[in-house]
Amino acid sequence: GAGVSQSPSNKVTEKGKDVELRCDPISGHTALYWYRQSLGQGLEFLIYFQGNSAPDKSGLPSDRFSAERTGGSVSTLTIQRTQQEDSAVYLCASSENGQGGAFFGQGTRLTVV
Amino acid sequence: EDQVTQSPEALRLQEGESSSLNCSYTVSGLRGLFWYRQDPGKGPEFLFTLYSAGEEKEKERLKATLTKKESFLHITAPKPEDSATYLCAVRDGGSYIPTFGRGTSLIVHP
Repeated sequence: GAGVSQSPSNKVTEKGKDVELRCDPISGHTALYWYRQSLGQGLEFLIYFQGNSAPDKSGLPSDRFSAERTGGSVSTLTIQRTQQEDSAVYLCASSENGQGGAFFGQGTRLTVV
Repeated sequence: EDQVTQSPEALRLQEGESSSLNCSYTVSGLRGLFWYRQDPGKGPEFLFTLYSAGEEKEKERLKATLTKKESFLHITAPKPEDSATYLCAVRDGGSYIPTFGRGTSLIVHP
């Protein structure tokens, strides 16, 4: 596709449920990032992929969060047993090789009720 | 640890009133300084990458400059459609993870 695509665009879930967020990066981009942005807050780094491997998972806030990337392309961020503090916009970005600027998707707005 | 400080936090301008946004950074071995624009409800839009002191990049009414300690985003004769939050990020030589500033919220009044 022409840009980074994220789905769903909005997700409302009940506390305690699991959710999966999907990211389709720009074709050929080897680097993929997940960030979280809460209302009025800055971008919080979650995880970085280079190809299918995740050399940096340091930003994942708890063991309820996990992510995978398959075929060097699509990535899924999974949040288990969601809590209200998980409510935020989850942004995915990709770049050609991790060295230049990254291109962001439109984000998934997650609301935990 | 990389640090990025953006100022001011918020800026209100009249249409046509030129100004500059500041991004001060502390990084060990700069490998790139990035500017983004973010509109409400959308993901950040990549604007520029600067790599070394003295470098400048331009796009329409925007011009980004870089020194060894800070970057400026100059906005010449802004229009209301330039209203957005502008984010700055830096990457050091030891990581592929950019560190983002908190952003400057720009409002341009007609």
